[in-house]
Amino acid sequence: DAKTTQPPSMDCAEGRAANLPCNHSTISGNEYVYWYRQIHSQGPQYIIHGLKNNETNEMASLIITEDRKSSTLILPHATLRDTAVYYCIVRGYLHGSGNTGKLIFGQGTTLQVKP
Amino acid sequence: EPEVTQTPSHQVTQMGQEVILRCVPISNHLYFYWYRQILGQKVEFLVSFYNNEISEKSEIFDDQFSVERPDGSNFTLKIRSTKLEDSAMYFCASSEGRYNSPLHFGNGTRLTVT
Repeated sequence: DAKTTQPPSMDCAEGRAANLPCNHSTISGNEYVYWYRQIHSQGPQYIIHGLKNNETNEMASLIITEDRKSSTLILPHATLRDTAVYYCIVRGYLHGSGNTGKLIFGQGTTLQVKP
Repeated sequence: EPEVTQTPSHQVTQMGQEVILRCVPISNHLYFYWYRQILGQKVEFLVSFYNNEISEKSEIFDDQFSVERPDGSNFTLKIRSTKLEDSAMYFCASSEGRYNSPLHFGNGTRLTVT
């Protein structure tokens, strides 16, 4: 799976949009971009995923650049409860046996939402 | 909304003892996973399970670890002889399919080995 690069930390004011960037310059054509977050030591929570089109759900929007080498997760109106570690993960095909769709977590971006 | 449930939430055991961590995946899911997270470190993949067999495992998943789906609903992780370094949060996850189906995680079991 392609490697991703995220800033280690970001701050956002409560009520403002939080824009979390992710670089995945080695992504291949059949790999998806997934976003998860982890609040304290809870289990990772799925947010959104996409292949090449922009995606939106009730939690967030995902903007993927046309060349697919980077993406941005947007939380439109951040609240204090959105303070968490956010993980951008590329997931997809690997040639050969033994690939089971697992996710590989990096260090993520620690988002601090401030009042 | 269906969710992955894990029990117990906290398990304390003595070094050398066997522990079994339990998970109930989401009912229509076919792929099952265990991850662990040592305090302050990354979430690490341990093993994936599909069609009643291990489909992939990491270097961490050595002979001390085993997984089982004893019935149609439970998915367990057994550690045969626990070591101090096994102290961690253990997360179970499940998904419907592979690349276009997200993994859904439980809230974990905190294992403390003394």
